[in-house]
Amino acid sequence: DTAVSQTPKYLVTQMGNDKSIKCEQNLGHDTMYWYKQDSKKFLKIMFSYNNKELIINETVPNRFSPKSPDKAHLNLHINSLELGDSAVYFCASSPGWAGSSYEQYFGPGTRLTVT
Amino acid sequence: DAKTTQPNSMESNEEEPVHLPCNHSTISGTDYIHWYRQLPSQGPEYVIHGLTSNVNNRMASLAIAEDRKSSTLILHRATLRDAAVYYCILRGLTQGGSEKLVFGKGTKLTVNP
Repeated sequence: DTAVSQTPKYLVTQMGNDKSIKCEQNLGHDTMYWYKQDSKKFLKIMFSYNNKELIINETVPNRFSPKSPDKAHLNLHINSLELGDSAVYFCASSPGWAGSSYEQYFGPGTRLTVT
Repeated sequence: DAKTTQPNSMESNEEEPVHLPCNHSTISGTDYIHWYRQLPSQGPEYVIHGLTSNVNNRMASLAIAEDRKSSTLILHRATLRDAAVYYCILRGLTQGGSEKLVFGKGTKLTVNP
């Protein structure tokens, strides 16, 4: 069984569309994250949820909205997609946060291409 | 904000040890040092982490400087499967109590057969 799964794996869409990426973890972890990796491979954290509460909201456009229906899911919804949103998006989970020593488990990534 | 600095790339031969450095001169006293690696077309994978003392696990060793301003990830015998981008990461708390995650830009490790 995949520990952290994301759907879809690839997403090609046009500018101005609204899309969602889903993430699920079956590890029983309390904390989940969304990261963006651009074409230069820089990995930047976007959001973090701990027990369904937002605990990090880095400086990302408000077109991006994370939604956590329960502890095992953290979905990423993107409105009015722009060319600059093209990237690989990774979901991750962790047993804890708060400056913790816990490791993170990453999903396989969703490659978003905006045309 | 605390930052990490890593060389852009390093090269090694198979079966030889590899030392991957990371500088984090502005690390705070409660920040943990984590290392992850990312194989091509995959998500990052946890390697090791530590706070003050050196750490060993089945994948690697982590040597932390006494002043904690730098650390070194050690792969004892590099294999072709170790070719990846290695990220040095600080995890801790901001002054406001929220989680702090600071990524380095990563070191691309090439392993020659």
